[in-house]
Amino acid sequence: KNEVEQSPQNLTAQEGEFITINCSYSVGISALHWLQQHPGGGIVSLFMLSSGKKKHGRLIATINIQEKHSSLHITASHPRDSAVYICAVDRGTSGSRLTFGEGTQLTVNP
Amino acid sequence: DTAVSQTPKYLVTQMGNDKSIKCEQNLGHDTMYWYKQDSKKFLKIMFSYNNKELIINETVPNRFSPKSPDKAHLNLHINSLELGDSAVYFCASSQVWFGTGELFFGEGSRLTVL
Repeated sequence: KNEVEQSPQNLTAQEGEFITINCSYSVGISALHWLQQHPGGGIVSLFMLSSGKKKHGRLIATINIQEKHSSLHITASHPRDSAVYICAVDRGTSGSRLTFGEGTQLTVNP
Repeated sequence: DTAVSQTPKYLVTQMGNDKSIKCEQNLGHDTMYWYKQDSKKFLKIMFSYNNKELIINETVPNRFSPKSPDKAHLNLHINSLELGDSAVYFCASSQVWFGTGELFFGEGSRLTVL
């Protein structure tokens, strides 16, 4: 069993829908990252959070440390949001050892 | 101005060859990383360098040798390439070295070994 589990693995939505991607982890962490990988392959950091909630535009990330769970929400989804969303946890060790989830492939249809 | 740049973007080579991928960051970060993304899109850390010093070598075969001539550069040299080395290799950097900090990724280098 992976230390980081994401669900769903694949998600198809219609433009305008509210989207939630979940991430559960089984180890102690210092922070959790949400990354976006575009169809062209590039990876962009969306959020790094260790508690509570962060918002950037239409994206919201939340984390519950006690429950070892994080969610990424996209409001008013758009076809340009189509990408792979990757959750990664940071154990806070020296030099960093991020452990990645397997990613969620999101497709937003017009 | 690209923050983290990798070259080449695509690399096709024969088994047994030696190849290098170069990475440069202009963000002034102290820590740089190499990640490997396999065919199932799963990312895994390979190496982490802080101020030119190797911090992590995550059970990578010794055919892979990272080299950091200065803290803005982290190159990856691979000897005796094998079919299983085919993957996308991502370079990244971050400001902090205990924990990760926000990561900035290069565009990736797709290596195909024939």
